[in-house]
Amino acid sequence: GQNIDQPTEMTATEGAIVQINCTYQTSGFNGLFWYQQHAGEAPTFLSYNVLDGLEEKGRFSSFLSRSKGYSYLLLKELQMKDSASYLCAVMDSNYQLIWGAGTKLIIKP
Amino acid sequence: DGGITQSPKYLFRKEGQNVTLSCEQNLNHDAMYWYRQDPGQGLRLIYYSQIVNDFQKGDIAEGYSVSREKKESFPLTVTSAQKNPTAFYLCASSMGLAGNEQFFGPGTRLTVL
Repeated sequence: GQNIDQPTEMTATEGAIVQINCTYQTSGFNGLFWYQQHAGEAPTFLSYNVLDGLEEKGRFSSFLSRSKGYSYLLLKELQMKDSASYLCAVMDSNYQLIWGAGTKLIIKP
Repeated sequence: DGGITQSPKYLFRKEGQNVTLSCEQNLNHDAMYWYRQDPGQGLRLIYYSQIVNDFQKGDIAEGYSVSREKKESFPLTVTSAQKNPTAFYLCASSMGLAGNEQFFGPGTRLTVL
């Protein structure tokens, strides 16, 4: 079966750096997405990786290793507004997104 | 402003009643999707549509129906056959299926009493 694993919850301090990991086993691979979702709101797109390596976008970076079935989202200079759930999703061979359950990130002052 | 709208934000229905959730987009996207989100679980695909007058079942289509008569609109009907309909429903759209980010509407929280 297809499976996306990510930690349920993480806590970090304002101004610090946090890394959210995602491992996956899917039928085929056509890219990995990271989304941010504040409670009760819609997910919003953060990043897309289809080739191995690091993609940097401001305070957020995303890394992919296809051979290891592994990705991480790195958030730097954490702000209180970064408190949200972070969703990892993999596009499979049928171009369907398989979603992880999300990692709830709690930022403390 | 381009985007996706869903209405209503909150919806209450009695058990045994059908209910239709609205989804409209003005992004000129070809593909549209309906997901269901439950606590502690990833988003699950209910139905998707790549083009007008065509749609495909997702992983959990039982008890749901959709139509795609216009490019902009993709309404979802939750029928009385859906055993556990209380959930947060999200509509999304994208340029196409392959490698394109999906844009989400604000969601409808359906509670069946």
